[in-house]
Amino acid sequence: KNEVEQSPQNLTAQEGEFITINCSYSVGISALHWLQQHPGGGIVSLFMLSSGKKKHGRLIATINIQEKHSSLHITASHPRDSAVYICAVADKLIFGTGTRLQVFP
Amino acid sequence: DTGVSQDPRHKITKRGQNVTFRCDPISEHNRLYWYRQTLGQGPEFLTYFQNEAQLEKSRLLSDRFSAERPKGSFSTLEIQRTEQGDSAMYLCASSPIPRGRFGEQFFGPGTRLTVL
Repeated sequence: KNEVEQSPQNLTAQEGEFITINCSYSVGISALHWLQQHPGGGIVSLFMLSSGKKKHGRLIATINIQEKHSSLHITASHPRDSAVYICAVADKLIFGTGTRLQVFP
Repeated sequence: DTGVSQDPRHKITKRGQNVTFRCDPISEHNRLYWYRQTLGQGPEFLTYFQNEAQLEKSRLLSDRFSAERPKGSFSTLEIQRTEQGDSAMYLCASSPIPRGRFGEQFFGPGTRLTVL
């Protein structure tokens, strides 16, 4: 069993849909990162959180430390949100395998 | 451009050759990280530096791999006697010194290595 697991692995959506990507982990952590990776490899850090909830534009990230679970939500999805979304946990910087999201117009 | 840069962006080499990659972090960032990413997988941590000191190395970093950050600015990652299994995207990231163990990181575009 991987120490960081994401679900779903692949996700397709119609433009405007509300999207949820989940991340579960089995190790103790000090923080969890959500990253976005576009085709070609470029990675952008979206959030770093250690408790509660953070919001940036249409993106919302939540974490439940007791349940060792985090979610990334995208409201009013858009085709430009199409990317691979990766969660990573510190302290060991272990990455999930990513969720490939495709949003169709 | 003040982001993280990596050079080269692509490298094709024959098995057994040595390769070296360079990463230039954001100038005021003390921390520099190296990762490897194979197709369909998330990145895997290789090593990180704080200034010129290499503070941690993953078990993935075999004896054929060496990383340096001699002046605490740019870093190089060298792979000796490359093997086909080394084919991957090599990612570099930098960050200021975080409050916790690892803070928000800024990633470079990566160097894609293909070993024939």
